Amino acid sequence: DSGVTQTPKHLITATGQRVTLRCSPRSGDLSVYWYQQSLDQGLQFLIQYYNGEERAKGNILERFSAQQFPDLHSELNLSSLELGDSALYFCASSERLYNEQFFGPGTRLTVL
Amino acid sequence: ELKVEQNPLFLSMQEGKNYTIYCNYSTTSDRLYWYRQDPGKSLESLFVLLSNGAVKQEGRLMASLDTKARLSTLHITAAVHDLSATYFCAGKIRGGSNYKLTFGKGTLLTVNP
Repeated sequence: DSGVTQTPKHLITATGQRVTLRCSPRSGDLSVYWYQQSLDQGLQFLIQYYNGEERAKGNILERFSAQQFPDLHSELNLSSLELGDSALYFCASSERLYNEQFFGPGTRLTVL
Repeated sequence: ELKVEQNPLFLSMQEGKNYTIYCNYSTTSDRLYWYRQDPGKSLESLFVLLSNGAVKQEGRLMASLDTKARLSTLHITAAVHDLSATYFCAGKIRGGSNYKLTFGKGTLLTVNP
């Protein structure tokens, strides 16, 4: 157990819908990262927050957004969902910007 | 931009045999990580390699880093069935504001009795 928690574990929804994925970092970690894992794209970095501020963006679609709250938990919002958004979404956290990242258990999103 | 290539992508081994997974990366990477992932599960950190010549061992797994060749290896000694999983290497570049991990495609390891 890495200490990073993610909810929900599984999410099944329909195309066009909007969902929110939640992540709580390890105690004391200030940085949160979101990654998407799919069969065709592999593991891809989406976005990073540090102490409430966005620090870097990767291959994140405009339909996706995220934020990190004052208590340091983070949410990833996915809207206008498409079949291709079905994937495993991981959150990771690290103490500071450059420390080792620890991964949460992931949220499996299925878009029907 | 950092690119990470692993090979092989699929590896079927017999128990008791040795094998090596290779991880090449395209530009200078400050740190090289190895992760293990069981089906449908999260990524478990195996090794963090920080400098040229670094070698780390845990049980039947040994990882090494050659920064001049831009190559990391994960060596499996006397494989056992419990090692069956997907193994990822990932690099990280220090610089700017981006501290993301760039992953290889993963090596699916199957150890057969």
